[in-house]
Amino acid sequence: KQEVTQIPAALSVPEGENLVLNCSFTDSAIYNLQWFRQDPGKGLTSLLLIQSSQREQTSGRLNASLDKSSGRSTLYIAASQPGDSATYLCAVSSTMDSSYKLIFGSGTRLLVRP
Amino acid sequence: EPEVTQTPSHQVTQMGQEVILRCVPISNHLYFYWYRQILGQKVEFLVSFYNNEISEKSEIFDDQFSVERPDGSNFTLKIRSTKLEDSAMYFCAIWTGENNQPQHFGDGTRLSIL
Repeated sequence: KQEVTQIPAALSVPEGENLVLNCSFTDSAIYNLQWFRQDPGKGLTSLLLIQSSQREQTSGRLNASLDKSSGRSTLYIAASQPGDSATYLCAVSSTMDSSYKLIFGSGTRLLVRP
Repeated sequence: EPEVTQTPSHQVTQMGQEVILRCVPISNHLYFYWYRQILGQKVEFLVSFYNNEISEKSEIFDDQFSVERPDGSNFTLKIRSTKLEDSAMYFCAIWTGENNQPQHFGDGTRLSIL
């Protein structure tokens, strides 16, 4: 059974810092991996998707990497801003699931201090 | 314009009552999902819907839950007799079925059972 873990659970950094959020998954037979952002009480905004055959994806100040064999992904945020404060969720879909449902981690709650 | 719209944004219901949560995708997608997030917990999969039928359901999705897509547009989740533990944020998600495309989530319906 696929399990997704995210560390740290919470992170507080001063504005301008570069930071890395970690995600690990137990079953390497993934179809793809998504990173989401969730603001308090709000929905999920898709940030980046990495297909199982890819190693990384970039969007603006965000870069996500995938090492399928070791069951790990990282989300790198460059030059963090207070507006980046949110919870970041990692989710994977499995090649073993015909539904391609997403299995989520618990998230990393990020606070960027001005 | 969002890919998927959910209504209502907030529903307050007495225990034992029936509720219907609605999801309207903006464009044609093949896969439809319901997820839920109990306050402070992980986002968890409830059910997937493909080709006008349920393709997978979780252990949470018991006989009190049902889904349908009655008019080929709206996608609904019905909870027949609500319990206190059904209080959660319910998210609808849609997906084209292509590996390079993310699942898109609605803003959610906050369900509060009294």
